[in-house]
Amino acid sequence: NAGVTQTPKFRILKIGQSMTLQCAQDMNHNYMYWYRQDPGMGLKLIYYSVGAGITDKGEVPNGYNVSRSTTEDFPLRLELAAPSQTSVYFCASSYSGEGKSELFFGEGSRLTVL
Amino acid sequence: KNQVEQSPQSLIILEGKNCTLQCNYTVSPFSNLRWYKQDTGRGPVSLTIMTFSENTKSNGRYTATLDADTKQSSLHITASQLSDSASYICVVSAVTDSSYKLIFGSGTRLLVRP
Repeated sequence: NAGVTQTPKFRILKIGQSMTLQCAQDMNHNYMYWYRQDPGMGLKLIYYSVGAGITDKGEVPNGYNVSRSTTEDFPLRLELAAPSQTSVYFCASSYSGEGKSELFFGEGSRLTVL
Repeated sequence: KNQVEQSPQSLIILEGKNCTLQCNYTVSPFSNLRWYKQDTGRGPVSLTIMTFSENTKSNGRYTATLDADTKQSSLHITASQLSDSASYICVVSAVTDSSYKLIFGSGTRLLVRP
């Protein structure tokens, strides 16, 4: 009963490096989301997807890219990492649109950019 | 501007005591309000979801109240346990541009001491 699985849990990047945060869910949810959580702040939506092949920007998309080739997977790509991208990243999924149904979160990926 | 404010920022109580966390929001049009529990280093987990017509909802020792007129919610924890030590996040769902959006509070960090 895995739910939402994120990898890696921790990562340190140098400025300018790129990486991909992986997210997979086994609940057959159509909707998937990426959030970032900064100290003392509420979660902010980066990107979301309403189904395979469909993605859209959230509140803070700059510096990130996503793809959704399958229902299960929703990777988040960071290009040219910057210190401002130091944060904890959460992937989530839901059966329907985020305001209507329960959100299930992964355990988070802590990223530090030095 | 849609906002969710939580108070206090942090709280320390003794095991076995009760406590109440507050959430005030300026979100319109309102769809629902959720409370999440986030253990350190983990993803948020849902405690309750309340719609406009619900003013109380319980989940074990957790009881959430909602006053849609004053735009206030509270989360009451009864007979606290050490495992209640966590951040508690209030989230309000808004209807915007024919879609739904979640606005996250910054959370209340609760520490339960023996």
